[in-house]
Amino acid sequence: SAVISQKPSRDICQRGTSLTIQCQVDSQVTMMFWYRQQPGQSLTLIATANQGSEATYESGFVIDKFPISRPNLTFSTLTVSNMSPEDSSIYLCSVELDIQETQYFGPGTRLLVL
Amino acid sequence: DAKTTQPPSMDCAEGRAANLPCNHSTISGNEYVYWYRQIHSQGPQYIIHGLKNNETNEMASLIITEDRKSSTLILPHATLRDTAVYYCIVLIQGAQKLVFGQGTRLTINP
Repeated sequence: SAVISQKPSRDICQRGTSLTIQCQVDSQVTMMFWYRQQPGQSLTLIATANQGSEATYESGFVIDKFPISRPNLTFSTLTVSNMSPEDSSIYLCSVELDIQETQYFGPGTRLLVL
Repeated sequence: DAKTTQPPSMDCAEGRAANLPCNHSTISGNEYVYWYRQIHSQGPQYIIHGLKNNETNEMASLIITEDRKSSTLILPHATLRDTAVYYCIVLIQGAQKLVFGQGTRLTINP
C-alpha cells in the first residue's frame, strides 16, 4: 500500500474564496485521483490527475471550478474556486499503485463553506 | 451509475462473522469485484478484490458465486472497530474509475 497525506485536514472558509488542498504520497505513483463526498452521500470522482498533462475531468466538473496540478509523481493539488456553501464536502485524493492497480485513499479534507 | 446492489444497513454481534452481500448481476467477464470500507470521518480503506475465485487476506474473505452475479464479504470475527460503511464495486482492472454506490452501513454491537 502507500502512505497518503492531505493538507489541510479541515477548514472553514467564506463564500467567494478559494482553497487549495494538497495530496502527498510516499512513493512515486502514476495515477492520482480526486473525489468529493458531499454530506450523507457516497464518493464521486472529480478528476484524474495526470503527471505532465492536464487533468481529466468527469461529467459535471470543470477545470475553472476545480483546477488541479500534478507537478511530479508524488504530489497533487486540488483547488476549490469561488466557493459556495454547496461546496461543503469531504475532498479525498487516491492513488493507484502500478503493480496492484488498486486505489488507496488519503484521509480526506473536510471543508465547510459559510 | 453503480452496478451493484447492497442492503442499506446490517447489524452483527461482536465476535460473530459478518456476512455482507452484494448483487452484481450485470457484471462482465473482465470485471473484478472490489470491496472498500469507510469508517466514520476517514478515507475509504481497501479490503479485498477478486475475479472469480474466492479470495482471503488478513482482513476478510470474498466469496464469489459461480455465475459471478453476486458475492459476499465475510469478516470472520467482527469487532467494534469494523463498524463502517462497506462498498462493493465492480471494475475492469486498470479502468481506474471507482463508482461508489451507497454501500451497506454495518454496525457491530457489543
